[in-house]
Amino acid sequence: DTAVSQTPKYLVTQMGNDKSIKCEQNLGHDTMYWYKQDSKKFLKIMFSYNNKELIINETVPNRFSPKSPDKAHLNLHINSLELGDSAVYFCASSQSPVYGYTFGSGTRLTVV
Amino acid sequence: KNEVEQSPQNLTAQEGEFITINCSYSVGISALHWLQQHPGGGIVSLFMLSSGKKKHGRLIATINIQEKHSSLHITASHPRDSAVYICASRTGNQFYFGTGTSLTVIP
Repeated sequence: DTAVSQTPKYLVTQMGNDKSIKCEQNLGHDTMYWYKQDSKKFLKIMFSYNNKELIINETVPNRFSPKSPDKAHLNLHINSLELGDSAVYFCASSQSPVYGYTFGSGTRLTVV
Repeated sequence: KNEVEQSPQNLTAQEGEFITINCSYSVGISALHWLQQHPGGGIVSLFMLSSGKKKHGRLIATINIQEKHSSLHITASHPRDSAVYICASRTGNQFYFGTGTSLTVIP
């Protein structure tokens, strides 16, 4: 069974559209994260949720909104997509910030 | 904000060589993480360190808190070790990532 699963794996969409990326973990971890990896391979944290509560919200546009219906799921909604949003988005989870974490396989978003 | 720097940015080695990747950070941290990203894109968490040294198979990670420096060593390198290695510092709930070291091991 996949520990942290993201869907879709690839997403190609036009500018201005609204899209969602889903993430689920079956590890029983309390904390989930969204990271963005840009074209230069630099990995940057976007959001972190602990037991459905937002604990990290880095400077990202308001068009990005995380939703955590329960502690096993953290979805990322993106409104009015822009070309600069093209990147690979990784979901991750950890038992708590003091432990290492498990990553999903990434979602490659391409905005055209 | 904690700045994290890695060196080298790119590294090519012959199979069997001993490899060292360095990471330095600018302020005190709770922990230092080493991650591995394979050419297919998946990211694996290798180590989390707050002091001393950890070993897993052919991988060894060390950290010197006073010098704000960590190293990742790979012994008897193999082509399957080819990947991007990323260090990340954690202070409380904040993570700061280095830009990664791209390692290529040639048979």
